[in-house]
Amino acid sequence: EAGVTQFPSHSVIEKGQTVTLRCDPISGHDNLYWYRRVMGKEIKFLLHFVKESKQDESGMPNNRFLAERTGGTYSTLKVQPAELEDSGVYFCASSQDSGHRAREKLFFGSGTQLSVL
Amino acid sequence: SQQGEEDPQALSIQEGENATMNCSYKTSINNLQWYRQNSGRGLVHLILIRSNEREKHSGRLRVTLDTSKKSSSLLITASRAADTASYFCATGLQETSGSRLTFGEGTQLTVNP
Repeated sequence: EAGVTQFPSHSVIEKGQTVTLRCDPISGHDNLYWYRRVMGKEIKFLLHFVKESKQDESGMPNNRFLAERTGGTYSTLKVQPAELEDSGVYFCASSQDSGHRAREKLFFGSGTQLSVL
Repeated sequence: SQQGEEDPQALSIQEGENATMNCSYKTSINNLQWYRQNSGRGLVHLILIRSNEREKHSGRLRVTLDTSKKSSSLLITASRAADTASYFCATGLQETSGSRLTFGEGTQLTVNP
């Protein structure tokens, strides 16, 4: 079974540019999450999809961030325009939705290291 | 301070020794989980303990939870060099759907051969 995959693994862009991160969850996982870790600090929640619907986007820092999950499969996270403080590691995670306990265990991708110069 | 704070921030031990990491949190929780992250890799789920449990074992891992003190500890016994990684605790809150987790900053464990 393939795990959660993220692309690209690294991205270096200049301030003001646009970057799109992609996440492919484990097949059949309806729950998809985006998290990020900035400057070695705690890993912070960004948002949660259930299938194609945004269940909780309270962690999105501002309107420069746009997440989509068309068709309820893969998800993209676009940052436009990127700012210096957006640098960090962006993680995607997925979990099953077949019961409360199955939803609790998250499977993470390797993350995208974003550097905004 | 943040929900889910690990202590210590960094720990260096010799192979064969035990490693203990602590985590404190602030709000009521449904469960507490520990994850490991090897350098450049994703987080890997290690163990989950529910709010009504006090101790749980999985191989060389032992997790305790004290809800009265809002704290948890992760013990790795007979450590190996391969255990070198960052360890994060994460709390799952009372929710009706999904499993939004709140992480701490992590403990960097180094096991020297």
